[in-house]
Amino acid sequence: AQKVTQAQTEISVVEKEDVTLDCVYETRDTTYYLFWYKQPPSGELVFLIRRNSFDEQNEISGRYSWNFQKSTSSFNFTITASQVVDSAVYFCALSENYGGSQGNLIFGKGTKLSVKP
Amino acid sequence: DTGVSQDPRHKITKRGQNVTFRCDPISEHNRLYWYRQTLGQGPEFLTYFQNEAQLEKSRLLSDRFSAERPKGSFSTLEIQRTEQGDSAMYLCASSLTGAQGYTFGSGTRLTVV
Repeated sequence: AQKVTQAQTEISVVEKEDVTLDCVYETRDTTYYLFWYKQPPSGELVFLIRRNSFDEQNEISGRYSWNFQKSTSSFNFTITASQVVDSAVYFCALSENYGGSQGNLIFGKGTKLSVKP
Repeated sequence: DTGVSQDPRHKITKRGQNVTFRCDPISEHNRLYWYRQTLGQGPEFLTYFQNEAQLEKSRLLSDRFSAERPKGSFSTLEIQRTEQGDSAMYLCASSLTGAQGYTFGSGTRLTVV
């Protein structure tokens, strides 16, 4: 069965600190997709990144970076120099491959990040 | 295009009543998904449409739940004889086949009293 585990329920940091959100997944598929979403207090899920299982290159986008390691089934997310606006719940998700594209998402329970000024 | 729209944003209903939610996806998106999110949990998949065809339903979707997507455009999710356990945020998402990610709406928060 597919599963996503986000072991950190809540993290609190002070502004400008770096923070890493952990994500471990389980799947028997050889082709799958991994996602990170941000859910601010307004409730809308904001897409951050998608990775397919064949692309293990790490990615950096501004202050955000992602570390995908198939060997440990992990897809961790790091925010550098955190800001108060980064405060939100962050979800890692997994989807299987449906004919070459993503299927429905299986989410972790989320990590609530609080960035204090 | 203003993204995925959901209506209403909030709904309070008495136990036993029926409720219907609407989702308007991004117009060119052929896939539409419904998810349910309870407090402190990640969203859970309910059902999925490709155009007007409902291709997959989760076991979470009991007989009291029904979803439609006539003409492959907007979708409705109806819950009959609501129960307190149905209280949750109901999220709609849409995507294009092969596209990068899903676009989620802001959700409908249902409270059953």
